[in-house]
Amino acid sequence: QVQLVESGGGVVQPGRSLRLSCAASGFTFSSYGMHWVRQAPGKGLEWVAVIWYDGSNKYYADSVKGRFTISRDNSKNTLYLQMNSLRAEDTAVYYCAREDLYCSGGSCSYYFDYWGQGTLVTVSS
Amino acid sequence: QSVLTQPPSASGTPGQRVTISCSGSSSNIGSNTVNWYQQLPGTAPKLLIYSNNQRPSGVPDRFSGSKSGTSASLAISGLQSEDEADYYCAAWDDSLNGPLFGGGTKLTVL
Repeated sequence: QVQLVESGGGVVQPGRSLRLSCAASGFTFSSYGMHWVRQAPGKGLEWVAVIWYDGSNKYYADSVKGRFTISRDNSKNTLYLQMNSLRAEDTAVYYCAREDLYCSGGSCSYYFDYWGQGTLVTVSS
Repeated sequence: QSVLTQPPSASGTPGQRVTISCSGSSSNIGSNTVNWYQQLPGTAPKLLIYSNNQRPSGVPDRFSGSKSGTSASLAISGLQSEDEADYYCAAWDDSLNGPLFGGGTKLTVL
């Protein structure tokens, strides 16, 4: 069965760095685009970043552009999020999510069919 | 636009039918399909509806989705106590190069 397990969260001071990992199993990791989505305490979901199945393209939300880097190691079935220059507003549960594709009538749509359990990042002095 | 617009709350009694709306713009809902996610308290989001009206395997047919123009709706019929959760709509945004989520709707079963 598909499993996504995040790790690496914790408490970090503003301006410092942290790297999150997402270990994937139960599917061919190298065939899927992968995303990071975060949720601040008591707030809604916010998309953070995406990386294509082969790592060839990456896109970021404006709120993290230039500070966060998404990457993947398909040989280790692992997704990463390097977070630098952390701010208090980056405090959130970070989820990794698998992107799947549905095509019908000549058009395709993307959605997140599996999510990890999340890892909490707290940025505080 | 930073988020899609959803009502912050909705409620219904067991057995009732409730709908949750989601409003966007031409760069997201107007040109892409809508997905819905259910988040039970203390858990990760779960896919509920994809591509406007498709249900993943295992999702009861009490849940249905629709889209018209730049708006979408999630309908839940035969409301049950276990449906009490937060519901999020999402649609790819062409200017973001990623998905835009709604602010979420907290559904209470009275």
